[in-house]
Amino acid sequence: QVQLVESGGGLVKPGGSLRLSCAASGFNFSDYYMTWIRQAPGKGLEWISYVSSSGKTVYYADSVKGRFTISRDNAKNSLFLQMSSLRDEDSAVYYCARELDMEVWGQGTTVTVSS
Amino acid sequence: SSELTQDPAVSVALGQTVRITCQGDSLRSYYASWYQQKPGQAPILVIYGKNDRPSKISDRFSGSTSGNTASLTITGAQAEDEADYYCNSRDTSGVVVFGGGTKLTVL
Repeated sequence: QVQLVESGGGLVKPGGSLRLSCAASGFNFSDYYMTWIRQAPGKGLEWISYVSSSGKTVYYADSVKGRFTISRDNAKNSLFLQMSSLRDEDSAVYYCARELDMEVWGQGTTVTVSS
Repeated sequence: SSELTQDPAVSVALGQTVRITCQGDSLRSYYASWYQQKPGQAPILVIYGKNDRPSKISDRFSGSTSGNTASLTITGAQAEDEADYYCNSRDTSGVVVFGGGTKLTVL
């Protein structure tokens, strides 16, 4: 079945870096745009970034532009989010989703930024 | 970038119809998508496009747009519909924006 599984979350100090991964299965990954969304504790959903099916087109929310980089490896059916210069306010559950309509979501991985 | 505004909370009596709205300038150009999120769970898509539902979503859910306002209507609300609901859309700059979410209580 169609499935997205995020990994790579954890505890990191302010200013640190972390790389999240999203493993896709059950569909032809290279045909779809992919999106990252996050949700801070007790807060709403925040779109972070998306990447085109080829990886050539990317967009970022202003809140992460210049600090986060989205990428994908279609040969490995994987999506990535490289996060650097992390701040307390980046603490959240990070979800990957298929397409701009976000028709399929993973279960999320938790990132905690704290000293 | 654009903003999408939702009422923070809405309630509905069991079996009645409720409309959850989402306002924003981007909705004049792009359709909204709607997501349902229950506590401790990932969101799920319930409405996208003009008024399309993923195959597993009940036909109690429908969507519409008028001007700068998108609406999610739940006809005959059930206890299991109690959840947070979020809208989103693209804007003309290519980015995506979410509304702040609406907490639906089924009485």
